[in-house]
Amino acid sequence: SQTIHQWPATLVQPVGSPLSLECTVEGTSNPNLYWYRQAAGRGLQLLFYSVGIGQISSEVPQNLSASRPQDRQFILSSKKLLLSDSGFYLCAWTRDGVNNSPLHFGNGTRLTVT
Amino acid sequence: GQQVMQIPQYQHVQEGEDFTTYCNSSTTLSNIQWYKQRPGGHPVFLIQLVKSGEVKKQKRLTFQFGEAKKNSSLHITATQTTDVGTYFCAGPGSADSWGKFQFGAGTQVVVTP
Repeated sequence: SQTIHQWPATLVQPVGSPLSLECTVEGTSNPNLYWYRQAAGRGLQLLFYSVGIGQISSEVPQNLSASRPQDRQFILSSKKLLLSDSGFYLCAWTRDGVNNSPLHFGNGTRLTVT
Repeated sequence: GQQVMQIPQYQHVQEGEDFTTYCNSSTTLSNIQWYKQRPGGHPVFLIQLVKSGEVKKQKRLTFQFGEAKKNSSLHITATQTTDVGTYFCAGPGSADSWGKFQFGAGTQVVVTP
């Protein structure tokens, strides 16, 4: 069966510090991968998605970036965090080639920028 | 572009009562998905509707896809405290944004015992 791992679960970082969140998927190959952000009590904002290694589509211009160094690894980064980067970050995957395939989310990382 | 609107934003329900949340799209959808996010948790896929007028049930949850495939509803009967959470609907991306999803803003459900 497929599983998705996301870490860390919680993170407190000062303004201006770097960020690296990692997500890996097991049990499937060539998944579509996504990074979403959710502000407290709000909806899901798509940040990045990837249909393959090295292929990243950015949805929201900001100080965040994403990389996909391996087929089942997706990394969210920032060189300098802003207060507005606080939120709940969710990694998700779907099956490649199936437009109706549902999203499977990781447990999320709760980031607080102080 | 395509937009998915969801109402109501908040729903306070007395335990045992029924309620419905609605999802409306500005364009025809090939399918619609519903997710549930418990407080402090991550969204979990509930169901997908594909056919016009389709109705699916999961125990006390009834999901419906409109005839025009532009709206959907989730009806919960005899609400229980386990139904607490936020329910999201999501439509597929447009032809030029394959693989993306258009999420509604969600309906946050609070159940009063």
